Amino acid sequence: KQEVTQIPAALSVPEGENLVLNCSFTDSAIYNLQWFRQDPGKGLTSLLLIQSSQREQTSGRLNASLDKSSGRSTLYIAASQPGDSATYLCAVIRWETSGSRLTFGEGTQLTVNP
Amino acid sequence: NAGVTQTPKFRILKIGQSMTLQCAQDMNHNYMYWYRQDPGMGLKLIYYSVGAGITDKGEVPNGYNVSRSTTEDFPLRLELAAPSQTSVYFCASSYFGLAAHEQFFGPGTRLTVL
Repeated sequence: KQEVTQIPAALSVPEGENLVLNCSFTDSAIYNLQWFRQDPGKGLTSLLLIQSSQREQTSGRLNASLDKSSGRSTLYIAASQPGDSATYLCAVIRWETSGSRLTFGEGTQLTVNP
Repeated sequence: NAGVTQTPKFRILKIGQSMTLQCAQDMNHNYMYWYRQDPGMGLKLIYYSVGAGITDKGEVPNGYNVSRSTTEDFPLRLELAAPSQTSVYFCASSYFGLAAHEQFFGPGTRLTVL
């Protein structure tokens, strides 16, 4: 059974700091990996999706990497801003004949202080 | 496109009551999913559907039922609500054929059972 772990569970940093969020998974036979952002009381917003054939994806100040062999992904946030405060979830995607199946980590709650 | 929409946004039920959570998408996605998210936890899959008329159980299906009579709609039915079903419910959709199989999420329904 696939298990996804995110470390740390919570992180508080001053504005402007670069930071790394970690995601690890137990079964390396994944299809893709997706990073989401969730604001309090809101739904999930997809940030980045890394296909299994890729090693990283970039969008603005965000960079996500994937190392399937070691079962790890990282989300790098450059020059953090208070508006980045949210919970960040990673989900590994495996493909079955019945469709794509996501297994979520429990998230990292990020607070960026002005 | 409105994307994935869910109604209602909030609901309070008494133990033993029933209700239907509505989900619709206008992206012509064939795959649709229902998840629940408990406080401080990741999302767990309740039911999913690979197309109209086809549904299947996910990780935590007990106490729920679904139907998929059209491509657009995927309602989730709670029969005999229990306090353990207090959670935030998210609907998602994806399209088979996109290599990434990215899932798109609705804003969620916050349900409390008292």
